[in-house]
Amino acid sequence: EVQLVESGGGLVQPGRSLKLSCAASGFTFSNYYMAWVRQAPKKGLEWVATISTSGSRTYYPDSVKGRFTISRDNAKSSLYLQMNSLKSEDTATYYCARLGHNNGFAYWGQGTLVTVSS
Amino acid sequence: EIVLTQSPTTMAASPGEKVTLTCRASSSVSYMHWYQQRSGTSPKLWIYETSKLASGVPNRFSGSGSGTSYSLTINSMETEDAATYYCQQGSSYPLTFGSGTKLEIK
Repeated sequence: EVQLVESGGGLVQPGRSLKLSCAASGFTFSNYYMAWVRQAPKKGLEWVATISTSGSRTYYPDSVKGRFTISRDNAKSSLYLQMNSLKSEDTATYYCARLGHNNGFAYWGQGTLVTVSS
Repeated sequence: EIVLTQSPTTMAASPGEKVTLTCRASSSVSYMHWYQQRSGTSPKLWIYETSKLASGVPNRFSGSGSGTSYSLTINSMETEDAATYYCQQGSSYPLTFGSGTKLEIK
């Protein structure tokens, strides 16, 4: 059974940094592209970052480019999201997801809440 | 950026009613994916590559479309289908989602 378990969320002040982690199990982690998707309170879904199987390629939307960094450790079956220069608009539940056919998000974690506020 | 516009924003359907949700893309895409999100839970892949049902999805659901127009249909609405449904395109970066259709039971 595919399991994705996020951790690292919490309350952080604007301008500070936070690093999220996602522990994967139930599949061969190194074989799959992985991603982060977020959802602001009572809002829709927004793609945040994608990383290739080896980690050599990463993709971001303009809203987080230059501030967020996605990375992975295949030996530990873990995915990470380093978030710098956080803004109030980054407040959201962050989901770890495994990518599938044609960039569909095939499996999702339970999410971790990040609140950016002074 | 490809913008996805879902309609309606909200709707209510009676048990047994046929339901169609639509998703229109600002530019042509190769496929559309759909997600179901029940209140307080994580989204689940529901339909992928336009018309393929994800594992465990009842066959009263179907998906269709091409180019800039896609739809998700429920043949006969059931109580458990009440949720928000999002479309998503994976044809080009940035990957984008529609704003969702909230489907309620009448």
